[in-house]
Amino acid sequence: GAVVSQHPSRVICKSGTSVKIECRSLDFQATTMFWYRQFPKQSLMLMATSNEGSKATYEQGVEKDKFLINHASLTLSTLTVTSAHPEDSSFYICSAREDFGAEQYFGPGTRLTVT
Amino acid sequence: GQSLEQPSEVTAVEGAIVQINCTYQTSGFYGLSWYQQHDGGAPTFLSYNALDGLEETGRFSSFLSRSDSYGYLLLQELQMKDSASYFCAVRRGDKIIFGKGTRLHILP
Repeated sequence: GAVVSQHPSRVICKSGTSVKIECRSLDFQATTMFWYRQFPKQSLMLMATSNEGSKATYEQGVEKDKFLINHASLTLSTLTVTSAHPEDSSFYICSAREDFGAEQYFGPGTRLTVT
Repeated sequence: GQSLEQPSEVTAVEGAIVQINCTYQTSGFYGLSWYQQHDGGAPTFLSYNALDGLEETGRFSSFLSRSDSYGYLLLQELQMKDSASYFCAVRRGDKIIFGKGTRLHILP
């Protein structure tokens, strides 16, 4: 089956710094990738949809200047959490799909802790 | 807007059968999916129903009634490894909207 990887799996950073999370589709070309955030014991909340070569579409309430998304190639999307604060500590999960309506494949997630 | 309702927790005994219900309200409904998530892990896809009826995959079955905006996940012959959170999710176009999840506790 299709494989999506994320890097890093865990990251700890200090308040005020920026952190970049990578999402890669390993064996297929992902025209669209999705970024989710999950707080402990809560659901996955869609943050944004990124299409290769174009600007990401953010969900209501998600600050686009704080969560920078780049989808520069068909196999890589990055999420940068800028000026991170402790409340940004969460589990960030990406998913990727090849064509519209196709199955989404989820990455293993990145645990971000901001101290 | 959209909303999904599912029980927050369910407890069952190893070897038994358990059903997790999900009701939804959404526009532009494409289908209902179910995902399993173990603590600290990413969600894994279990099933997808686009049409009414029952879909069976091994020990897991999923049902959808579009007219009732209702679906369920049925887990048979429960094993301890099935202890996890289960999310129903609706597809709206290209997006997946997740419910709040049901924590399944399995007793030996």
